[in-house]
Amino acid sequence: KAGVTQTPRYLIKTRGQQVTLSCSPISGHRSVSWYQQTPGQGLQFLFEYFSETQRNKGNFPGRFSGRQFSNSRSEMNVSTLELGDSALYLCASSLGHGVQYFGAGTRLSVL
Amino acid sequence: QQQVKQSPQSLIVQKGGIPIINCAYENTAFDYFPWYQQFPGKGPALLIAIRPDVSEKKEGRFTISFNKSAKQFSLHIMDSQPGDSATYFCAASIKGGYALNFGKGTSLLVTP
Repeated sequence: KAGVTQTPRYLIKTRGQQVTLSCSPISGHRSVSWYQQTPGQGLQFLFEYFSETQRNKGNFPGRFSGRQFSNSRSEMNVSTLELGDSALYLCASSLGHGVQYFGAGTRLSVL
Repeated sequence: QQQVKQSPQSLIVQKGGIPIINCAYENTAFDYFPWYQQFPGKGPALLIAIRPDVSEKKEGRFTISFNKSAKQFSLHIMDSQPGDSATYFCAASIKGGYALNFGKGTSLLVTP
């Protein structure tokens, strides 16, 4: 079974731009969660989608948004990028409560 | 605010040693406690997980000890190997929830 696939692996953007990251979950998994990983703050939960509905949301500004499609693939969007948005963005998919499988992440650099 | 506190931040042990990583939490609603291992350039990978109705769980060389009254849990790596050198994260989540609350991580180095 293929694992969680995130694209692209690396992105470089400038302040003020917007960016869209993509995540394909493990086949059969209907829950997709997104996390931001930085050296200072560690791993922080952004939001979680299940069957195209956002079920949980972390403490991030409205510039961070996401969606999930009928095939469970998910996208995350960040608008009006700030330098502090530079991070590794991780997607995790899940079949059941708590057991989440992570992708390799998308490393976003904001210049 | 960090809901799961992890220590130490870094750890160096010799091959064969038993590194111990500790985590503490405050929210008694947490009911699922996984440990993840992350290598550079990779996403976190689930290592072992425990629920609060058991005090210890062992999988291979990895053991979780859980103290519900103290709200603490720890990871022990038996007979550690250089290949275990990685960053380890503890986490906790609330029943029915999918949001993992992570500790800040422990960078482990196992020397030959």
